[in-house]
Amino acid sequence: ELKVEQNPLFLSMQEGKNYTIYCNYSTTSDRLYWYRQDPGKSLESLFVLLSNGAVKQEGRLMASLDTKARLSTLHITAAVHDLSATYFCAVGRRETSYDKVIFGPGTSLSVIP
Amino acid sequence: DAGVIQSPRHEVTEMGQEVTLRCKPISGHDYLFWYRQTMMRGLELLIYFNNNVPIDDSGMPEDRFSAKMPNASFSTLKIQPSEPRDSAVYFCASSFGTGGSPLHFGNGTRLTVT
Repeated sequence: ELKVEQNPLFLSMQEGKNYTIYCNYSTTSDRLYWYRQDPGKSLESLFVLLSNGAVKQEGRLMASLDTKARLSTLHITAAVHDLSATYFCAVGRRETSYDKVIFGPGTSLSVIP
Repeated sequence: DAGVIQSPRHEVTEMGQEVTLRCKPISGHDYLFWYRQTMMRGLELLIYFNNNVPIDDSGMPEDRFSAKMPNASFSTLKIQPSEPRDSAVYFCASSFGTGGSPLHFGNGTRLTVT
């Protein structure tokens, strides 16, 4: 059974600091997604990572994937208040001929001025 | 494109009533997913379709839940009879394949069962 874990689940950090959110998953995967959710809103796609060693960056966020370790990281550089949100990783896995996507529990990030 | 459209945005109903949630995926997308989000259980995959065919409904919590996709542009999730523990935000998402394409989420339906 595919399981996805994230840590930390809650993160409070000061503006200007760096931090990393970790996403572990239990079985082999075809791809890894990162999403952002603001309170009361829908989920917004940030990154899709498809292969071992993949790295993608957008502004102050950088995501990477290590398929051998079954680990993805979301690194936050010089955090600003606007990054406060809940961040989800999700793992896609092909089962039989179709693709299932399972989400982690989310990391609630609060950036404090 | 208007994105994934869900209706209603909010639904308040009494225990025992039937509830129907609706979703219009993005045109051309061949996968459709229904998720339920609660504080306690996070985002749970309920069911997903490929080319209008239900592929995996193992996440549907009980027989009270059913989902259909009669055509490529419409899906419903029905709860009958509803119970207070069904209160949650229900999201529909669609994607074009799932290889390199992200899932696009609707705005969700917030369901409250009293």
